[in-house]
Amino acid sequence: QVQLQESGPGLVKPSETLSLTCTVSGASISSGAYYWVWIRQPPGMGLEWIGSFYFSGRAYYNPSLMSRVTVSVETSKNQLSLKLTSVTAADTAVYYCARVLLDVLYFDLWGQGALVTVSS
Amino acid sequence: SYILTQPPSVSVAPGQTARISCGGNNVESKSVHWYQQKPGQAPVVVVYDDSDRPSGIPERFSGSNSGNTATLTISRVEAGDEADYYCQVWDSTSDHQWVFGGGTKLTVL
Repeated sequence: QVQLQESGPGLVKPSETLSLTCTVSGASISSGAYYWVWIRQPPGMGLEWIGSFYFSGRAYYNPSLMSRVTVSVETSKNQLSLKLTSVTAADTAVYYCARVLLDVLYFDLWGQGALVTVSS
Repeated sequence: SYILTQPPSVSVAPGQTARISCGGNNVESKSVHWYQQKPGQAPVVVVYDDSDRPSGIPERFSGSNSGNTATLTISRVEAGDEADYYCQVWDSTSDHQWVFGGGTKLTVL
C-alpha cells in the first residue's frame, strides 16, 4: 500500500524559507510511471498546484510561484522536498504532496497534508 | 495560463440530482478530472478523464465534457455527498501545468 506523509515545521517566520518533506512508502519515487507533486490550500480557499517533479530530473512550476519555489527529490531516502523562499502570510496553507500517474495526469494519491502558518 | 471557472455553491435536496459545472476555453479538448473534498480531509478523485470512475466510487457520480463546459453530475444525492468539489485539467500548452477550478461547495438541503 503506497502512502505519502508530509513533514516539516508548522510555523515559519515572514521572509524566511518554508521547507517540507514528503516521504513515500510502498513505492519508489524513482519510478518513471509518476510525477510527484506539491499542492497547497490556504484556509477556507481552493487548491493550488505548486510544482511537480519527474524522475528524469525535470521539475515544473506554477508560474505564479516559480521565482520562489524549488521541488526536488532525494532518491536515497525516497523523499520529495519543497522549498519556498521569502514567505508571507499569504503562504499560510495546508501543503499536500500527491502522485500523478503518467498516463492519466490526475492526482490519484494524496498525503494527509501539513498545515504551515507564516507568522512572526 | 488556462483558467477553469466553477460556481461557488450548488444546493440540492436529498434524492435529487446535482450538476456542477466547470467552464474553460475549449475544455472539451482536455481531460477533466473531478475531486471531492470533505472538511479536514485530502481531496479524492471521483471522476477522471471526463467520465470514468475509479473503483469504489458510486455509479451516482458521472461526468461529461462538451464545448466550453465540463459537468459533474451526482444522482440521487445523499447527505454524505455534501463537500467541496474541484475540477482539474493538465494544460499541455503551458509546459506541464496542472490547473484547478476554484471549487464548488455542494450543500444538501
